[in-house]
Amino acid sequence: QVQLQESGPGLVKPSGTLSLTCDVSGGSVIGHIWWSWVRQPPGKGLEWIGETYPSGGTNYNPSLKSRVTISVDTSKNQFSLKVNSVTAADTAVYYCARLWSGSSYYFDSWGQGILVTVSS
Amino acid sequence: EIVLTQSPGTLSLSPGERATLSCRASQSVSSKSLTWYQQKPGQPPRLLIYGASTRATGIPDRFGGSGSGTDFTLTISRLEPEDFAVYYCQQCGTSPWTFGQGTKVEIK
Repeated sequence: QVQLQESGPGLVKPSGTLSLTCDVSGGSVIGHIWWSWVRQPPGKGLEWIGETYPSGGTNYNPSLKSRVTISVDTSKNQFSLKVNSVTAADTAVYYCARLWSGSSYYFDSWGQGILVTVSS
Repeated sequence: EIVLTQSPGTLSLSPGERATLSCRASQSVSSKSLTWYQQKPGQPPRLLIYGASTRATGIPDRFGGSGSGTDFTLTISRLEPEDFAVYYCQQCGTSPWTFGQGTKVEIK
């Protein structure tokens, strides 16, 4: 069973860059799998941010596309998220997740989540 | 983007009762890409149902999913104390992938 673990700063200043990493254990990031980031503002619902494919492909939510970069590091078996020009609206719990794509498509593994607060 | 609208927003029921949760899509969703998750406070979402009707590994058979096109349903046949949580539907058929706003199942 693959396990995911987010890490990174819990506090980011407004206009700064949010940077998170997701370590993958119990499996490889290499394969026919998309690796995603999802966020959840406090007390609110879930929002898909985007995803990356080991070959280098990416797919982003248009609502965030201009500010987001997701990449994978196969040598470290991890993938990462960067969000530029953050504001208080980017305060959320950020989850990394694996998108299983076989006969069905779904997020089958999730990290525990990391709360990132945007504040000066 | 496909908007998923869940109803009701909150469902107040007693243990042992049946829960019926609805997820309506703004346009047709492939059944193989419609998923249900359960989330409890302080925890990540937990995969319940994928492909609209297939229970994930370890999910009790009191959980059932059905539907097609734009209307999908999650049914919990008899609520157990551990089932009181927030439930989300989600689609991965048309990018951007989207989630419903959630239905909270609370103890009456």
